[in-house]
Amino acid sequence: DVQLVESGGGLVQPGGSLRLSCAASGFTFSSYWMHWVRQAPGKGLVWVSRINVDGSSTIYADSVKGRFTTSRDNAKNTLYLQMNSLKVEDTAVYYCARDPYGLDLWGRGALVTVSS
Amino acid sequence: SSELTQDPAVSVALGQTVRITCQGDSLRSYHATWYQQKPGQAPVLVIYGTNNRPSGIPDRFSGSSSGNTASLTITGAQAEDEADYYCDSRDSNDDPLIFGGGTKLFVL
Repeated sequence: DVQLVESGGGLVQPGGSLRLSCAASGFTFSSYWMHWVRQAPGKGLVWVSRINVDGSSTIYADSVKGRFTTSRDNAKNTLYLQMNSLKVEDTAVYYCARDPYGLDLWGRGALVTVSS
Repeated sequence: SSELTQDPAVSVALGQTVRITCQGDSLRSYHATWYQQKPGQAPVLVIYGTNNRPSGIPDRFSGSSSGNTASLTITGAQAEDEADYYCDSRDSNDDPLIFGGGTKLFVL
């Protein structure tokens, strides 16, 4: 099956770190740009980050720049989001998504809760 | 980067036609993309490149654009179309992706 599966979410204290993974299967992962998008409880979609096919180019939303790092391992068909210096306002479901011409494939999301 | 503005909520009678709009300067030069999200589920791509439907999306969904406004039209809305709808755009491939605030569609 063509799918994306996020993992690594959980509860973390403010200032802490967490790494999300997004495992891709059923398609040629290395051919696609990939994105992270988050959604706070009851709120709308917010774009977080984008990475190009070989990982040489990444861009971030201003709200996470300098704290979050997106990377990928094409040999393992996996996308990563390293989140440092987490804030309460980073609490959200984090989705990874594939981008050929729009975000045409999304994972089910990983919940990250930042709370003391 | 610019913002995208959507009406917070729209309602439509079952079987009627509804238009959901998205306004923003980036839409003058870059295609709009539309997503449907139902409660507790991940978003689903319904329109890309302003007016193209991915396979599996019913043909009652269509898109259009004029000036700084993109529209998603549902012709003959069904009960299962009740959902949140989000537009996105970007100024260029090197620019951040921008999402609209979302429109909650009620099918009455």
